[in-house]
Amino acid sequence: QSALTQPASVSGSPGQSITISCTGTSSDVGGYNLVSWYQHHPGKAPKLMIYEGSKRPSGVSNRFSGSKSGNTASLTISGLQADDEADFYCCSYAGSSSYVFGTGTKVSVL
Amino acid sequence: QVQLQESGPGPVKPSETLSLTCTVSGASVSTSTYYWSWIRQPPGKGLEWIGYIHYIGSTNYNPSLNSRVTISVDTSKNQFSLKLTSVTAADSAVYYCARDHHSGYDYWYFDSWGQGTLVTVSP
Repeated sequence: QSALTQPASVSGSPGQSITISCTGTSSDVGGYNLVSWYQHHPGKAPKLMIYEGSKRPSGVSNRFSGSKSGNTASLTISGLQADDEADFYCCSYAGSSSYVFGTGTKVSVL
Repeated sequence: QVQLQESGPGPVKPSETLSLTCTVSGASVSTSTYYWSWIRQPPGKGLEWIGYIHYIGSTNYNPSLNSRVTISVDTSKNQFSLKLTSVTAADSAVYYCARDHHSGYDYWYFDSWGQGTLVTVSP
């Protein structure tokens, strides 16, 4: 069960769009439509942003969207805002009733 | 609104057992549709799922920790707990508890998290 691969950092200017990738295998990301994404401001509780690949929980801005192609899931943040600066983690069902997280991506707003 | 709060006795010595408790408010751990998970984050590293429990007692653990982990639930106190035996410095991390929503091949996400508690393993 290896961690899903994310870029270490992604940056953008306010108002721009950025995309974070999350690459796994056919045993996790590619095998199920069960990827979730979490925003984590250090020192705070992580927050669910996307579940089942592309669904947004109530209260999450529609600036956040998720998608998947093959073994790679993606999170897109449009209209980047200063408060979006945080760490983002993907997570997937990994078979055998288990989870695997991504390596994490630090989003910086320039 | 669901709130989770981790608590524990503080630093742990190598080879000893790490014990943490998660107190849940705003929801019942006895709800059939949810599981209750532990997740950790070593300093400077990413998140790692440790395992989950359902209130009826069924559990599942990360294979990499399986032999050292026990998660239990106390429905009377609306709490669930983590025990990790034979700890080493590599077990130093922020430990989070979270509400885990899954059913068969549906859902599979954590919709509420605690703020986390730092556990340091040192002599």
